[in-house]
Amino acid sequence: TQLLEQSPQFLSIQEGENLTVYCNSSSVFSSLQWYRQEPGEGPVLLVTVVTGGEVKKLKRLTFQFGDARKDSSLHITAAQPGDTGLYLCAGVGTYKYIFGTGTRLKVLA
Amino acid sequence: ETGVTQTPRHLVMGMTNKKSLKCEQHLGHNAMYWYKQSAKKPLELMFVYSLEERVENNSVPSRFSPECPNSSHLFLHLHTLQPEDSALYLCASSHKTPSSYNEQFFGPGTRLTVL
Repeated sequence: TQLLEQSPQFLSIQEGENLTVYCNSSSVFSSLQWYRQEPGEGPVLLVTVVTGGEVKKLKRLTFQFGDARKDSSLHITAAQPGDTGLYLCAGVGTYKYIFGTGTRLKVLA
Repeated sequence: ETGVTQTPRHLVMGMTNKKSLKCEQHLGHNAMYWYKQSAKKPLELMFVYSLEERVENNSVPSRFSPECPNSSHLFLHLHTLQPEDSALYLCASSHKTPSSYNEQFFGPGTRLTVL
């Protein structure tokens, strides 16, 4: 069974702090996606990483795909209250997406 | 309406009731998905339809019955549910079935409570 473990599960930080969220698996994925979900809404795609070792930046968010394509990280610089939400990684396979356990982030003003 | 819509947004039902969840996508996509999101479990894929044909069924109990009459509509028919089926049910669509560059667009979900 393919599993994606995210850490930490919960994170509460002050505005302006940096943070890193990890997504780890024992399985190899062809690509990995990161989503953010806000209360009352469905997840929204932030980024897709495809190549081992790939780094992508989205404003203050930096995403990295592990060399072996089994893990990924999301780093947020100078977090803002608008970054609050549930962050989900998802490994892409044939006809399916395997979602991670989620990291719930709260950024306090 | 744009994007992916789901109705109803909230549903409370007894274990002997029969109800249906509806999903509609206005994006011209060819694939649609049902997911279950519980408080203490990862988002679980239930069903995948590609061009109106079911291509994936993740060992879901038969009390959940999907229907995809056309590429824009997806239903989830519910009957004799259990309290542990209470969860947020999310619908999603994508241009085509999963691939490396395929983005899923999610609806807002139906919050289901089974009494």
